[in-house]
Amino acid sequence: AQSVTQLGSHVSVSEGALVLLRCNYSSSVPPYLFWYVQYPNQGLQLLLKYTTGATLVKGINGFEAEFKKSETSFHLTKPSAHMSDAAEYFCAVSDTGGFKTIFGAGTRLFVKA
Amino acid sequence: GAVVSQHPSRVICKSGTSVKIECRSLDFQATTMFWYRQFPKQSLMLMATSNEGSKATYEQGVEKDKFLINHASLTLSTLTVTSAHPEDSSFYICSVSREDQETQYFGPGTRLLVL
Repeated sequence: AQSVTQLGSHVSVSEGALVLLRCNYSSSVPPYLFWYVQYPNQGLQLLLKYTTGATLVKGINGFEAEFKKSETSFHLTKPSAHMSDAAEYFCAVSDTGGFKTIFGAGTRLFVKA
Repeated sequence: GAVVSQHPSRVICKSGTSVKIECRSLDFQATTMFWYRQFPKQSLMLMATSNEGSKATYEQGVEKDKFLINHASLTLSTLTVTSAHPEDSSFYICSVSREDQETQYFGPGTRLLVL
């Protein structure tokens, strides 16, 4: 069985500050890991994904995440927050890639001017 | 451009009626589509996996007779909420997966409000 835990339902940062959204997963097999962003009343947009290979994954909009197997973590970071980054972020895990993806509860990011 | 479309984007219906939501894969043929449900300020919950040409696979706790799924072609899956009740009001999102299944592409969602 797989599961995802996102630490912190809400995160607030100042514009220009570092963004760190935490995600820990549980999986009995090598996981595929994803971060999605959702703007109000919209579907999900893929930010980045880890399947195999390099553990530091770069995504769109300046986001990146690092897969740490020893810590079962896949935290999302961005060096400098922008007002447009304010949204809901979901971490997700699957075992065979895109099949039967399990989502975390989500973290709402607020960016203060 | 969009990879997945959903129609309608919003629907309001009376309690007891049935509502059909369409999910179309625009860029590729999708043998597998997924239907999710999202309550306000909550995460996505997988409802069912829609397989082209065969019966859908429902997650535990999802009533298959209430949420009818038809995947009649490689580009279209439909979700019909039968005899809708106010508690069925939610945001329904579909997604499609390529054959390599590395990534899911999500539709824009359908907001259902049952009065």
